[in-house]
Amino acid sequence: NAGVTQTPKFRILKIGQSMTLQCTQDMNHNYMYWYRQDPGMGLKLIYYSVGAGITDKGEVPNGYNVSRSTTEDFPLRLELAAPSQTSVYFCASSYLWTASYEQYFGPGTRLTVT
Amino acid sequence: DQQVKQNSPSLSVQEGRISILNCDYTNSMFDYFLWYKKYPAEGPTFLISISSIKDKNEDGRFTVFLNKSAKHLSLHIVPSQPGDSAVYFCAASAQDAGNQFYFGTGTSLTVIP
Repeated sequence: NAGVTQTPKFRILKIGQSMTLQCTQDMNHNYMYWYRQDPGMGLKLIYYSVGAGITDKGEVPNGYNVSRSTTEDFPLRLELAAPSQTSVYFCASSYLWTASYEQYFGPGTRLTVT
Repeated sequence: DQQVKQNSPSLSVQEGRISILNCDYTNSMFDYFLWYKKYPAEGPTFLISISSIKDKNEDGRFTVFLNKSAKHLSLHIVPSQPGDSAVYFCAASAQDAGNQFYFGTGTSLTVIP
């Protein structure tokens, strides 16, 4: 199993550009998540999904959109990139939406908006 | 508002000694706590967890202690090894409040050979 994979690993965007961060998992997990980690800060939940076709906002959803058309894929869309979106983005998945099941994380995408 | 806090950004420990990483939380609804370990350029990996019905959980060299009255948990690593050098995040969740995980800011542990 590859686990959770994310592409790209790095990206530089200009202000106002758009991009999609890709996330794929091959563990047949129902639940998937997007986090961002700013320097010196903890991970903050952007969006999550409990299954194909179902998504919901997390703690910091503004400026982002997600979709979940398949169990495996959970892309994160940035529209009109802003410097405040410079961060490291982590995708994660878990088998169940209960606190007792740990999340499996991808390696992250480092995004810089200038 | 940071609901989970790790007040020590960094910690250095000699190989073979005990490492103690601390975490404080403010939300009394949190009932499940996890520790993650993160190496540079990698995603966090799960290390150990504890439910609020327990005050201690052990897994090999790693033990997590929970003090609910103080809203404090700690991770003990004994004996510390150079491969333990990483950033450690604690995370908390409340099953009755949406089950979102709230992460601390991390503590960078360096184990000196």
